[in-house]
Amino acid sequence: AQSVAQPEDQVNVAEGNPLTVKCTYSVSGNPYLFWYVQYPNRGLQFLLKYITGDNLVKGSYGFEAEFNKSQTSFHLKKPSALVSDSALYFCAVRGDYNAGNNRKLIWGLGTSLAVNP
Amino acid sequence: KAGVTQTPRYLIKTRGQQVTLSCSPISGHRSVSWYQQTPGQGLQFLFEYFSETQRNKGNFPGRFSGRQFSNSRSEMNVSTLELGDSALYLCASKEDLSTEAFFGQGTRLTVV
Repeated sequence: AQSVAQPEDQVNVAEGNPLTVKCTYSVSGNPYLFWYVQYPNRGLQFLLKYITGDNLVKGSYGFEAEFNKSQTSFHLKKPSALVSDSALYFCAVRGDYNAGNNRKLIWGLGTSLAVNP
Repeated sequence: KAGVTQTPRYLIKTRGQQVTLSCSPISGHRSVSWYQQTPGQGLQFLFEYFSETQRNKGNFPGRFSGRQFSNSRSEMNVSTLELGDSALYLCASKEDLSTEAFFGQGTRLTVV
């Protein structure tokens, strides 16, 4: 079965420090991985995705994520956090349809990131 | 391009009533998905429509239904509202071949 885990409900980091938001997944075959961000009372905004190719993916607002197949992880990173990065972050995965997965996106429960000035 | 538009933004209904939410996707996007978001359960998939056909369905009771029109606009209906239906309902659209979805700002439904 397809699943996604975001092991931390909340991450706190000081402004200017690097940040990491963790995500691990389980799917059959090759994964399609996504990160989204949600600001209060807003919809989700797409940050980045991994489909194939380089394991390090760069996205919006200076975020990047590293796909690690052996650890089945797709952690979101940013070298220097900003207060404005404080938001709710969601990881999502969809399995390769040709490997027998359905087309549904499976979502993590979200990680609340707080960047302190 | 205009983004995904959901109406209304906020709604208060009484238990037992029914409600219809609307979603206009990005122009050219034929896939529309609906999600329920609550603090304890995260994002729960309701259903996905493509070219007026329901392509995927989540594990929600039959009180939750949807449809898609020929212009790709979609509506979601919840009948016999329960207090537990209070949530943020999100709509997302995508081109069928594209893999990322674009979300609307959501409709905040409160059932009292």
